[in-house]
Amino acid sequence: AQSVTQLGSHVSVSEGALVLLRCNYSSSVPPYLFWYVQYPNQGLQLLLKYTTGATLVKGINGFEAEFKKSETSFHLTKPSAHMSDAAEYFCAVILGPFYTGTASKLTFGTGTRLQVTL
Amino acid sequence: EAGVTQFPSHSVIEKGQTVTLRCDPISGHDNLYWYRRVMGKEIKFLLHFVKESKQDESGMPNNRFLAERTGGTYSTLKVQPAELEDSGVYFCASSQGPGPLAGITGELFFGEGSRLTVL
Repeated sequence: AQSVTQLGSHVSVSEGALVLLRCNYSSSVPPYLFWYVQYPNQGLQLLLKYTTGATLVKGINGFEAEFKKSETSFHLTKPSAHMSDAAEYFCAVILGPFYTGTASKLTFGTGTRLQVTL
Repeated sequence: EAGVTQFPSHSVIEKGQTVTLRCDPISGHDNLYWYRRVMGKEIKFLLHFVKESKQDESGMPNNRFLAERTGGTYSTLKVQPAELEDSGVYFCASSQGPGPLAGITGELFFGEGSRLTVL
């Protein structure tokens, strides 16, 4: 079984401040990890993903996330928040390379709404 | 290129009525997924089509939900009869390969969602 926990349903930061959105996962096998973002009135958009290799992954719009196996975490960060980053962010996991099934079911967290203030 | 489109964007119905949601995937995408987000909770998988075949429908909550994808193009999700707990946002997604690990882009493309409110 796999699950995703996102700490904080709402996070507020000032423009220019560090953005840190937390995600912890549990998975019976090494996972693939994703961050999706939903801007107002838009669909979910992939920000970044970790599959294998380098544990620090960079995504669009200056976001990055680091896979830490020892902490079962995949926190999302951005050094300097911009007003346009206001959106809802979802962490997701899928069973990783040891999964031999054909289905591809993402398991999502409950989402974190990011507010950016002046 | 058009993205994944969903219709209607918002539907308000009374308990016991029927609603049909439609999803048009990106042209050429064989894989189509339905997900649902109940208010304030996580987005949950409902089912996965590969072309017109149901690959995995393990997330369908009960037999009041019927998904079809005739001809392997657009898909419909019918709820009949609707119950209060069916309220939420229904997302459709498509990909060229088998899900988020697709060899070509590794990405699921999501629509904006259809918000269903059951009164």
